[in-house]
Amino acid sequence: DAMVIQNPRYQVTQFGKPVTLSCSQTLNHNVMYWYQQKSSQAPKLLFHYYDKDFNNEADTPDNFQSRRPNTSFCFLDIRSPGLGDAAMYLCATSEDMTSGTYEQYFGPGTRLTVT
Amino acid sequence: KNQVEQSPQSLIILEGKNCTLQCNYTVSPFSNLRWYKQDTGRGPVSLTIMTFSENTKSNGRYTATLDADTKQSSLHITASQLSDSASYICVAAGWGQNFVFGPGTRLSVLP
Repeated sequence: DAMVIQNPRYQVTQFGKPVTLSCSQTLNHNVMYWYQQKSSQAPKLLFHYYDKDFNNEADTPDNFQSRRPNTSFCFLDIRSPGLGDAAMYLCATSEDMTSGTYEQYFGPGTRLTVT
Repeated sequence: KNQVEQSPQSLIILEGKNCTLQCNYTVSPFSNLRWYKQDTGRGPVSLTIMTFSENTKSNGRYTATLDADTKQSSLHITASQLSDSASYICVAAGWGQNFVFGPGTRLSVLP
């Protein structure tokens, strides 16, 4: 009965080789988020979708792109991964974001290694 | 600047003992304060959400407090268990999707 699913759980890619991480949800939530979390650091928001509206954080590198083809799925594309992009990537969802106390549900994360 | 500080950075306690984790935030405008538990290699799981008008909220053995005047929150864990070993992340939320994450406190519970 997993609610936010991320695949794969572990991904190894080569320096400069494009990679795609996927996230799916069974909650039918409007909002989907992508976070980057490096070792012993807090999660850092990369971008989010409110329905089909894409919102990029100002400091998210252009190397990171996202797609949301439908309500259930959201993808994170890293066009040319560098060694500094090695991290845990967390997907999260929330039903809404206009009221204050909406709950965020996180997936288990994808651990990305860049060789 | 919006930021969240947590202390201690790490904590080791014996099984069955209580502990309290601290969080100070400077987020404005402030909407609510969240505590998450993150097991190693997993995504964060929500423990509590408190609005500025709430002083305390419990979730089983976890009790969070909030003082919106001093911008401080604490998470108290009662009768700790080995499964409580995790990182505990404090998040101060502004309006909209403005979440400010703290660096977390790494808790280790030893038998």
